[in-house]
Amino acid sequence: DAGVIQSPRHEVTEMGQEVTLRCKPISGHDYLFWYRQTMMRGLELLIYFNNNVPIDDSGMPEDRFSAKMPNASFSTLKIQPSEPRDSAVYFCASSFWGNGYTFGSGTRLTVV
Amino acid sequence: AQKVTQAQTEISVVEKEDVTLDCVYETRDTTYYLFWYKQPPSGELVFLIRRNSFDEQNEISGRYSWNFQKSTSSFNFTITASQVVDSAVYFCALSEAGKAAGNKLTFGGGTRVLVKP
Repeated sequence: DAGVIQSPRHEVTEMGQEVTLRCKPISGHDYLFWYRQTMMRGLELLIYFNNNVPIDDSGMPEDRFSAKMPNASFSTLKIQPSEPRDSAVYFCASSFWGNGYTFGSGTRLTVV
Repeated sequence: AQKVTQAQTEISVVEKEDVTLDCVYETRDTTYYLFWYKQPPSGELVFLIRRNSFDEQNEISGRYSWNFQKSTSSFNFTITASQVVDSAVYFCALSEAGKAAGNKLTFGGGTRVLVKP
Protein backbone atom coordinates (compact mmCIF):
# COMPACT_ATOMS: atom_id res chain seq x y z
CA ASP A 1 0.00 0.00 0.00
CA ALA A 2 1.33 3.42 -0.95
CA GLY A 3 -0.05 5.10 2.14
CA VAL A 4 -1.84 8.43 2.16
CA ILE A 5 -0.67 10.51 -0.78
CA GLN A 6 -0.72 14.28 -0.71
CA SER A 7 0.10 16.72 -3.45
CA PRO A 8 1.82 19.01 -3.91
CA ARG A 9 4.54 18.61 -1.27
CA HIS A 10 5.31 22.31 -1.39
CA GLU A 11 3.23 25.20 -2.65
CA VAL A 12 4.20 28.84 -2.82
CA THR A 13 1.52 31.25 -3.91
CA GLU A 14 0.75 34.93 -3.82
CA MET A 15 -1.81 36.41 -1.51
CA GLY A 16 -5.25 36.39 -3.09
CA GLN A 17 -4.65 33.35 -5.25
CA GLU A 18 -6.65 30.15 -5.03
CA VAL A 19 -4.84 27.15 -3.60
CA THR A 20 -5.95 23.53 -3.91
CA LEU A 21 -4.41 20.76 -1.86
CA ARG A 22 -5.03 17.15 -2.80
CA CYS A 23 -5.21 13.89 -0.92
CA LYS A 24 -5.58 10.24 -1.83
CA PRO A 25 -6.44 8.13 1.22
CA ILE A 26 -5.55 4.52 1.79
CA SER A 27 -7.89 2.21 -0.06
CA GLY A 28 -10.57 0.81 2.24
CA HIS A 29 -10.30 3.55 4.81
CA ASP A 30 -13.67 5.14 5.50
CA TYR A 31 -12.53 8.26 7.35
CA LEU A 32 -10.53 11.14 5.95
CA PHE A 33 -9.18 14.03 7.97
CA TRP A 34 -7.55 17.36 7.17
CA TYR A 35 -5.23 18.81 9.81
CA ARG A 36 -3.20 21.99 9.84
CA GLN A 37 0.07 22.49 11.70
CA THR A 38 1.38 25.92 12.65
CA MET A 39 3.88 27.07 15.22
CA MET A 40 1.25 29.08 17.06
CA ARG A 41 -1.61 26.61 17.13
CA GLY A 42 0.10 23.26 16.76
CA LEU A 43 -1.82 20.45 15.06
CA GLU A 44 -5.50 21.18 14.69
CA LEU A 45 -8.31 19.34 12.93
CA LEU A 46 -9.96 21.30 10.16
CA ILE A 47 -12.57 18.87 8.83
CA TYR A 48 -13.24 15.18 8.52
CA PHE A 49 -15.31 12.94 6.27
CA ASN A 50 -16.91 9.56 6.78
CA ASN A 51 -17.77 7.60 3.65
CA ASN A 52 -17.19 10.77 1.60
CA VAL A 53 -19.66 12.81 3.68
CA PRO A 54 -18.38 15.80 5.71
CA ILE A 55 -19.12 15.12 9.35
CA ASP A 56 -17.49 17.95 11.27
CA ASP A 57 -16.12 21.13 9.73
CA SER A 58 -16.08 23.17 12.91
CA GLY A 59 -12.32 23.52 12.64
CA MET A 60 -12.39 25.24 9.28
CA PRO A 61 -11.15 28.71 10.07
CA GLU A 62 -13.16 30.79 7.64
CA ASP A 63 -15.40 30.67 4.61
CA ARG A 64 -12.28 30.99 2.51
CA PHE A 65 -11.62 27.34 3.29
CA SER A 66 -13.61 24.55 1.68
CA ALA A 67 -13.12 20.80 1.40
CA LYS A 68 -14.65 18.17 -0.80
CA MET A 69 -14.52 14.44 -1.16
CA PRO A 70 -16.15 13.50 -4.46
CA ASN A 71 -15.28 9.82 -4.08
CA ALA A 72 -13.60 7.40 -1.72
CA SER A 73 -10.19 7.88 -3.26
CA PHE A 74 -9.83 11.63 -3.49
CA SER A 75 -10.26 14.77 -1.42
CA THR A 76 -9.38 18.42 -1.87
CA LEU A 77 -8.88 21.33 0.47
CA LYS A 78 -9.27 24.68 -1.20
CA ILE A 79 -8.37 28.13 0.06
CA GLN A 80 -9.77 31.06 -1.88
CA PRO A 81 -8.50 33.72 -1.58
CA SER A 82 -5.32 32.74 0.23
CA GLU A 83 -3.71 34.96 2.87
CA PRO A 84 -0.23 34.95 4.42
CA ARG A 85 -1.65 33.66 7.72
CA ASP A 86 -2.74 30.50 5.91
CA SER A 87 0.92 29.52 5.62
CA ALA A 88 1.24 26.17 7.38
CA VAL A 89 1.74 22.48 6.82
CA TYR A 90 -1.50 20.76 5.88
CA PHE A 91 -1.80 17.07 6.63
CA CYS A 92 -4.31 14.63 5.31
CA ALA A 93 -4.96 11.41 7.23
CA SER A 94 -7.18 8.42 6.73
CA SER A 95 -8.39 5.71 9.03
CA PHE A 96 -10.61 2.68 9.27
CA TRP A 97 -12.61 2.78 12.47
CA GLY A 98 -10.87 0.87 15.21
CA ASN A 99 -7.85 0.09 13.12
CA GLY A 100 -5.17 2.36 11.82
CA TYR A 101 -4.67 6.09 11.49
CA THR A 102 -2.17 7.12 8.84
CA PHE A 103 -0.97 10.56 7.89
CA GLY A 104 0.27 11.74 4.54
CA SER A 105 3.59 13.51 4.18
CA GLY A 106 1.92 16.91 4.29
CA THR A 107 1.80 19.95 2.03
CA ARG A 108 3.88 22.93 3.09
CA LEU A 109 1.98 26.02 1.97
CA THR A 110 3.61 29.42 1.84
CA VAL A 111 1.50 32.44 0.95
CA VAL A 112 3.54 35.55 0.16
CA ALA B 1 -13.89 18.84 25.69
CA GLN B 2 -10.77 16.80 25.28
CA LYS B 3 -7.35 18.17 26.09
CA VAL B 4 -3.81 16.82 25.88
CA THR B 5 -0.95 18.50 27.71
CA GLN B 6 2.72 17.91 27.07
CA ALA B 7 4.34 20.15 29.62
CA GLN B 8 7.89 19.66 28.34
CA THR B 9 8.47 21.76 25.26
CA GLU B 10 12.06 20.67 24.71
CA ILE B 11 14.38 18.05 26.19
CA SER B 12 18.07 17.81 25.45
CA VAL B 13 20.06 14.68 26.30
CA VAL B 14 23.37 13.12 25.45
CA GLU B 15 23.36 9.96 23.41
CA LYS B 16 22.71 6.78 25.43
CA GLU B 17 20.81 8.62 28.13
CA ASP B 18 17.19 7.69 28.80
CA VAL B 19 14.51 10.28 28.17
CA THR B 20 10.91 10.30 29.37
CA LEU B 21 8.21 12.39 27.73
CA ASP B 22 5.18 13.25 29.80
CA CYS B 23 1.62 13.31 28.52
CA VAL B 24 -1.45 14.19 30.57
CA TYR B 25 -4.91 14.11 29.09
CA GLU B 26 -8.46 15.15 29.94
CA THR B 27 -11.61 13.51 28.64
CA ARG B 28 -15.09 12.77 29.88
CA ASP B 29 -15.27 9.59 27.85
CA THR B 30 -14.82 6.22 29.50
CA THR B 31 -13.56 4.69 26.29
CA TYR B 32 -10.85 6.36 24.28
CA TYR B 33 -7.56 5.82 22.47
CA LEU B 34 -4.19 7.34 23.18
CA PHE B 35 -1.48 7.74 20.57
CA TRP B 36 2.12 8.78 20.22
CA TYR B 37 3.51 10.13 16.96
CA LYS B 38 7.05 11.08 16.00
CA GLN B 39 7.76 13.99 13.69
CA PRO B 40 11.39 13.91 12.50
CA PRO B 41 13.03 16.93 10.86
CA SER B 42 11.72 15.73 7.49
CA GLY B 43 8.25 16.64 8.71
CA GLU B 44 6.13 13.54 8.35
CA LEU B 45 4.08 12.17 11.23
CA VAL B 46 5.14 8.66 12.11
CA PHE B 47 2.77 6.48 14.11
CA LEU B 48 4.39 4.90 17.18
CA ILE B 49 1.63 3.41 19.29
CA ARG B 50 -2.09 3.34 19.95
CA ARG B 51 -3.46 2.29 23.31
CA ASN B 52 -7.07 1.53 24.25
CA SER B 53 -8.24 3.03 27.54
CA PHE B 54 -9.19 -0.42 28.81
CA ASP B 55 -5.69 -1.74 28.40
CA GLU B 56 -3.46 -0.41 31.14
CA GLN B 57 -0.61 -2.79 30.53
CA ASN B 58 2.67 -1.10 29.89
CA GLU B 59 4.19 -1.76 26.50
CA ILE B 60 7.73 -2.10 25.29
CA SER B 61 8.90 -2.00 21.70
CA GLY B 62 12.64 -2.14 21.35
CA ARG B 63 14.06 0.96 23.01
CA TYR B 64 10.60 2.49 23.35
CA SER B 65 8.28 1.93 26.29
CA TRP B 66 5.00 3.43 27.36
CA ASN B 67 3.48 3.80 30.82
CA PHE B 68 -0.29 4.24 30.86
CA GLN B 69 -1.81 5.22 34.20
CA LYS B 70 -5.51 5.83 34.01
CA SER B 71 -5.67 6.96 37.65
CA THR B 72 -3.51 9.97 36.86
CA SER B 73 -4.64 10.37 33.24
CA SER B 74 -1.10 10.01 32.00
CA PHE B 75 0.48 8.18 29.10
CA ASN B 76 4.23 8.68 29.33
CA PHE B 77 6.80 7.61 26.78
CA THR B 78 10.37 6.59 27.49
CA ILE B 79 13.22 6.21 25.06
CA THR B 80 15.95 4.04 26.52
CA ALA B 81 19.56 4.51 25.47
CA SER B 82 18.71 7.40 23.18
CA GLN B 83 20.33 7.79 19.79
CA VAL B 84 20.86 10.80 17.54
CA VAL B 85 18.18 9.43 15.18
CA ASP B 86 15.66 9.84 17.99
CA SER B 87 15.91 13.61 17.63
CA ALA B 88 12.42 14.72 16.65
CA VAL B 89 9.24 16.26 17.95
CA TYR B 90 6.98 13.77 19.70
CA PHE B 91 3.25 14.25 19.92
CA CYS B 92 0.78 12.64 22.26
CA ALA B 93 -2.82 12.49 21.02
CA LEU B 94 -6.25 11.41 22.21
CA SER B 95 -9.33 10.23 20.38
CA GLU B 96 -12.77 9.12 21.40
CA ALA B 97 -13.44 5.46 20.71
CA GLY B 98 -17.07 5.62 19.64
CA LYS B 99 -17.64 5.47 15.91
CA ALA B 100 -19.65 8.68 15.95
CA ALA B 101 -16.55 10.50 17.07
CA GLY B 102 -14.81 9.56 13.88
CA ASN B 103 -11.50 8.92 15.55
CA LYS B 104 -10.55 12.57 15.25
CA LEU B 105 -7.40 13.29 17.19
CA THR B 106 -6.72 15.98 19.75
CA PHE B 107 -2.97 16.61 19.87
CA GLY B 108 -0.73 17.87 22.60
CA GLY B 109 1.68 20.67 21.83
CA GLY B 110 4.59 18.32 21.25
CA THR B 111 7.96 17.81 22.93
CA ARG B 112 11.11 18.43 20.95
CA VAL B 113 13.83 15.91 21.79
CA LEU B 114 17.39 16.73 20.90
CA VAL B 115 19.89 13.93 21.29
CA LYS B 116 23.48 15.11 21.18
CA PRO B 117 26.29 12.77 20.18
